[in-house]
Amino acid sequence: QSVLTQPPSASGTPGQRVTISCSGSSSNIGSNTVNWYQQLPGTAPKLLIYSNNQRPSGVPDRFSGSKSGTSASLAISGLQSEDEADYYCAAWDDSLWVFGGGTKLTVL
Amino acid sequence: EVQLVESGGGLVHPGRSLRLSCAASGFTFADCAMHWVRQAPGKGLEWVSGISWNSGSIGYADSVRGRFTISRDNAKNSLYLQMNSLRAEDTALYYCAKDMAIAVAGTIDYWGQGTLVTVSS
Repeated sequence: QSVLTQPPSASGTPGQRVTISCSGSSSNIGSNTVNWYQQLPGTAPKLLIYSNNQRPSGVPDRFSGSKSGTSASLAISGLQSEDEADYYCAAWDDSLWVFGGGTKLTVL
Repeated sequence: EVQLVESGGGLVHPGRSLRLSCAASGFTFADCAMHWVRQAPGKGLEWVSGISWNSGSIGYADSVRGRFTISRDNAKNSLYLQMNSLRAEDTALYYCAKDMAIAVAGTIDYWGQGTLVTVSS
């Protein structure tokens, strides 16, 4: 069981906006920033959002992140078929990194 | 271009040892903390261990502490993971990952393609 809790699945149609939640506690999300990773099928994870809401160079502005208290969210607007992937949240927790269990996003 | 190339994976019997290596290029290796993250077949990501830029700070997941040892050689731009007393539950794809910062609590921003470790009799 993962320290950070994510819904196992999410879905949307092309053009739609979807959000993925990540719930933690005071020792991780509550006191540290949150990162989000995208893992396309058969590939290594890729950094999507860091420090709660910052996008690395090259990541489309369709992707956005937010944090409030001990929870965080990833929002994807203008959903595209190539967004179909697994998404993971991560946060520092005292002396180690913890990940969410992952959310499989399906584009219908 | 950042490149992280893992090697050393394979099939090993329970209780035996294995040493993973990661060759880094495309960035100043000595300026970055480094990590090992694993992913069991069909499962999610699990952070295994991290090491700061100068090896002064090291962290382990509870599941591997006392059995795995992380190390680095900045002169060779290389990261290592010595895995002892391997168990079936250590079976996973092991990713070498780079941090944005010098500290282990930075942000993992690049990942290698992984090396598969299978622990089975």
